Amino acid sequence: NAGVTQTPKFRVLKTGQSMTLLCAQDMNHEYMYWYRQDPGMGLRLIHYSVGEGTTAKGEVPDGYNVSRLKKQNFLLGLESAAPSQTSVYFCASSYSAGGYNEQFFGPGTRLTVL
Amino acid sequence: QKEVEQDPGPLSVPEGAIVSLNCTYSNSAFQYFMWYRQYSRKAPELLMYTYSSGNKEDGRFTAQVDKSSKYISLFIRDSQPSDSATYLCAIRQGGKLIFGQGTELSVKP
Repeated sequence: NAGVTQTPKFRVLKTGQSMTLLCAQDMNHEYMYWYRQDPGMGLRLIHYSVGEGTTAKGEVPDGYNVSRLKKQNFLLGLESAAPSQTSVYFCASSYSAGGYNEQFFGPGTRLTVL
Repeated sequence: QKEVEQDPGPLSVPEGAIVSLNCTYSNSAFQYFMWYRQYSRKAPELLMYTYSSGNKEDGRFTAQVDKSSKYISLFIRDSQPSDSATYLCAIRQGGKLIFGQGTELSVKP
């Protein structure tokens, strides 16, 4: 099993450009999450999904959109990138949202917006 | 006030030292508490979890929750250079996790 994979691993954008980050999991998990990680800020939740066809906003959703058309995939879109969106983006998935909600993370995408 | 606060460090200790990592939280209703470990430029991984109050031990690691003071701790005994990583506390709120800022730990040989 590959677990959680993310595409691409690195990307450099210019201000105003758009892009989509792809997250895929092969563990048949219902729940999927997108986080961003900035120095000294920990992991902050952008959007999450509790199942195929559903999405919800997290702590820092502005400037991002998401879609979960298939259970195994969760896409994060930036319509008009800004330098403030320079960050490391992590996708995660979990079997359940209850209990201690163990989340399995992908390797991350390093995004730089110039 | 953030729901979870964690001293970002960095923290540098000599090999063999006892390390104490700490977080405070704001909502007394929280019941599930986790510690994730993240090696440099890698994905976070669940290290330990505790439910409600008390201690949980796993080898050299002990997770402790003090609900009266809303304080969670991770202790590492006989620390090793391989323990050098960022440690993130996390609390479950509904179907989501709230993470602390992370503490960067360096264990020097």
